[in-house]
Amino acid sequence: DAKTTQPTSMDCAEGRAANLPCNHSTISGNEYVYWYRQIHSQGPQYIIHGLKNNETNEMASLIITEDRKSSTLILPHATLRDTAVYYCIAALSGYALNFGKGTSLLVTP
Amino acid sequence: EPEVTQTPSHQVTQMGQEVILRCVPISNHLYFYWYRQILGQKVEFLVSFYNNEISEKSEIFDDQFSVERPDGSNFTLKIRSTKLEDSAMYFCASLRRNIQYFGAGTRLSVL
Repeated sequence: DAKTTQPTSMDCAEGRAANLPCNHSTISGNEYVYWYRQIHSQGPQYIIHGLKNNETNEMASLIITEDRKSSTLILPHATLRDTAVYYCIAALSGYALNFGKGTSLLVTP
Repeated sequence: EPEVTQTPSHQVTQMGQEVILRCVPISNHLYFYWYRQILGQKVEFLVSFYNNEISEKSEIFDDQFSVERPDGSNFTLKIRSTKLEDSAMYFCASLRRNIQYFGAGTRLSVL
């Protein structure tokens, strides 16, 4: 699996967009970019994933650069409940997910 | 929305005892996984299971661990002789359409 690099922590004001970056410069052509988050010690929660194209769902948007070496997760209107650790993972579908340390996002009032 | 269900939510055991952690994956999912997270550390992959066989395992998944799908719905993780360092959250996941969905986890406390 390709290694990913994320900032250790980020802050975001409630109601503003949270933009979480991720570098995955060694990603292979058939590895997906997955984003999960974990609140306290709860089970990881799936947010979004993509291969080449940008993706959007009810939770977030995923912007993947054309060379696929980096991506950005966008939470359009962050709420206090979005405070969590966010994990960017590059992996083949069906294979083990390698959770790194992630980005600890703090949403402030 | 269908969920991965794990029982019990908290298991306390004595060192050296056997424990079985149970998971009910989402119906119609075919790939199953176990991960663990030691307090304060990252989530670590243990094993994946497909078609009644282990398809991938990590170096953590040694002879002390085993997995089984005893019936059409349950997926279990057995630890034969627990050690203090097995204390962790254990998460089950199942796969559909390229996405692994996780359960809420079982907290295992080995005393």
